[in-house]
Amino acid sequence: QLQLQESGPGLVKPSETLSLTCTVSGGSISSSSYYWGWIRQPPGKGLEWIGSIYYSGSTYYNPSLKSRVTISVDTSKNQFSLKLSSVTAADTAVYYCASLLYNWVDYWGQGTLVTVSS
Amino acid sequence: QPVLTQSSSASASLGSSVKLTCTLSSGHSSYIIAWHQQQPGKAPRYLMKLEGSGSYNKGSGVPDRFSGSSSGADRYLTISNLQSEDEADYYCETWDSNIRVFGGGTKLTVL
Repeated sequence: QLQLQESGPGLVKPSETLSLTCTVSGGSISSSSYYWGWIRQPPGKGLEWIGSIYYSGSTYYNPSLKSRVTISVDTSKNQFSLKLSSVTAADTAVYYCASLLYNWVDYWGQGTLVTVSS
Repeated sequence: QPVLTQSSSASASLGSSVKLTCTLSSGHSSYIIAWHQQQPGKAPRYLMKLEGSGSYNKGSGVPDRFSGSSSGADRYLTISNLQSEDEADYYCETWDSNIRVFGGGTKLTVL
């Protein structure tokens, strides 16, 4: 069974870049059946897809965030990462990493709260 | 891209059944969706993948009380013999050309 764990700073200053890493265990990030994704949830609100990546490096981003998002993969460490630039208070959210079996999310990380504040 | 519509809230009594609905936007009625459960203060959990035919595949450890069905553009999640731990937010998810969307979620209250 896959397990995913997010890590990174819980506090980011406005206009700076948010950086998170997801470590995958219980399976290989190079599996041909899986994509890997980031999803966020502002406090008290619903889920918003940020983007996804395949082990080959192919990426797919939410059009509303595309100009600020970079997702990358490190197969040697079984990790993938998220960078979100020029953050504002509106980017305060719980950030989840997830595995996507072919097309749907089948495992979620526990989530990490990132607060944007000076 | 598709849009998913869910009622904001639902309620049902302990031990009864409830049917939650996720509706696909026009032109997307054949799409596959996934259902996820988010208990208070926890990460979401994958429940099942549900096809337009009504065929569904549940995630590991999902109780038999959870089932799925479909009718046209509507995708349903039925929970039988409601338990207190079923009180949660339920989200549907779909995708198109590697772009994915979530419904707004339904908050289920177990009375």
